[in-house]
Amino acid sequence: GAVVSQHPSWVICKSGTSVKIECRSLDFQATTMFWYRQFPKQSLMLMATSNEGSKATYEQGVEKDKFLINHASLTLSTLTVTSAHPEDSSFYICSATQTGAAYGNTIYFGEGSWLTVV
Amino acid sequence: SQQGEEDPQALSIQEGENATMNCSYKTSINNLQWYRQNSGRGLVHLILIRSNEREKHSGRLRVTLDTSKKSSSLLITASRAADTASYFCATVPSSNTGKLIFGQGTTLQVKP
Repeated sequence: GAVVSQHPSWVICKSGTSVKIECRSLDFQATTMFWYRQFPKQSLMLMATSNEGSKATYEQGVEKDKFLINHASLTLSTLTVTSAHPEDSSFYICSATQTGAAYGNTIYFGEGSWLTVV
Repeated sequence: SQQGEEDPQALSIQEGENATMNCSYKTSINNLQWYRQNSGRGLVHLILIRSNEREKHSGRLRVTLDTSKKSSSLLITASRAADTASYFCATVPSSNTGKLIFGQGTTLQVKP
């Protein structure tokens, strides 16, 4: 079946550095992917919609210059946390939709990426 | 807030008992989905109910949807210790682009 893969699963970085997280749809093409953030013991909050070949659409309150999203191909979206700070430490998870009548717009989630900024 | 609400926030029951979680949402939806998340892990899709459906079953899970009240419930029957997890409802807006709006979640503890 369709799979969405995220990499890395875990990353620790120093404050002030940038970190890139990849989200890949392994056996289907996804023109749209979504990025969510989840703080400990909280729910998932949609950060942005990643659109292949165009700019991402950010949710209110999400800094687009801090969370850079690139969706350069139909199977890959990347989230770069720039100048990371400890408050950016969180669980980041992506999703992709397998569109089409045969698939009923099925949503698949990646396994998530834990970011710790020290 | 973009999120809907879930209640209870936390639920603790004995093995074998039933667990009911409720979810309310704010906008028109295409469908509503329930997910499970074990601590520190990714999401597991449990069940999807479309806006024109009122009830759906899957194994020990029963989901209801009341679009007039913008609410849904998840019932887990004959709970097991392995059901211990966080449960989230998530709505897909009517535009159906794949975006999900998550509820705040219910943490379920099933005691053996």
